[in-house]
Amino acid sequence: DAGVIQSPRHEVTEMGQEVTLRCKPISGHDYLFWYRQTMMRGLELLIYFNNNVPIDDSGMPEDRFSAKMPNASFSTLKIQPSEPRDSAVYFCASSLGTSIDTQYFGPGTRLTVL
Amino acid sequence: AQSVAQPEDQVNVAEGNPLTVKCTYSVSGNPYLFWYVQYPNRGLQFLLKYITGDNLVKGSYGFEAEFNKSQTSFHLKKPSALVSDSALYFCAVAGYNTDKLIFGTGTRLQVFP
Repeated sequence: DAGVIQSPRHEVTEMGQEVTLRCKPISGHDYLFWYRQTMMRGLELLIYFNNNVPIDDSGMPEDRFSAKMPNASFSTLKIQPSEPRDSAVYFCASSLGTSIDTQYFGPGTRLTVL
Repeated sequence: AQSVAQPEDQVNVAEGNPLTVKCTYSVSGNPYLFWYVQYPNRGLQFLLKYITGDNLVKGSYGFEAEFNKSQTSFHLKKPSALVSDSALYFCAVAGYNTDKLIFGTGTRLQVFP
């Protein structure tokens, strides 16, 4: 298996623009997680899905952020409109099941909002 | 609420010496504990986990961790450090009734030749 795939790997955009980050989880994994990593706040869980259904989005910082999982092999994280403080590395991870199962991380998308 | 603490921002060790990266946790009930490693410009990689059983857990790349319930700790260890072990290490905890992992702030390990 190719592992968790994220695209793009790097994104540079201007404030106010819409940004869409994409993730393909490992086939057969029922859970998908979106994280954000910054120097100031470390690694934060934004939202996670179980069988394509959002379970907990309490980590989503604002209404500007939204996430979808239309099928088992694809998820998006959208920021509209983007702001400079959204600059971070965004990771997607997937796992087979619940908290005892290992999460496998993608390579991340480095987002820079100018 | 569950939480995890990594008290050291950075650990420096000479190649060939033993290393320890510290982690303490707080969780209701039995904890599930994990260590991940992050190399520059890469995603996190799983090293090892404790679910139940032996308190000493062996993982990838010669790393091991010891679960200590009385001290609520799960320190990461390696008998002989390599320069290539230099990376950012994250401890994480989950409670048995939650799907979420809570990550520590990370400890940067620097191994000097």
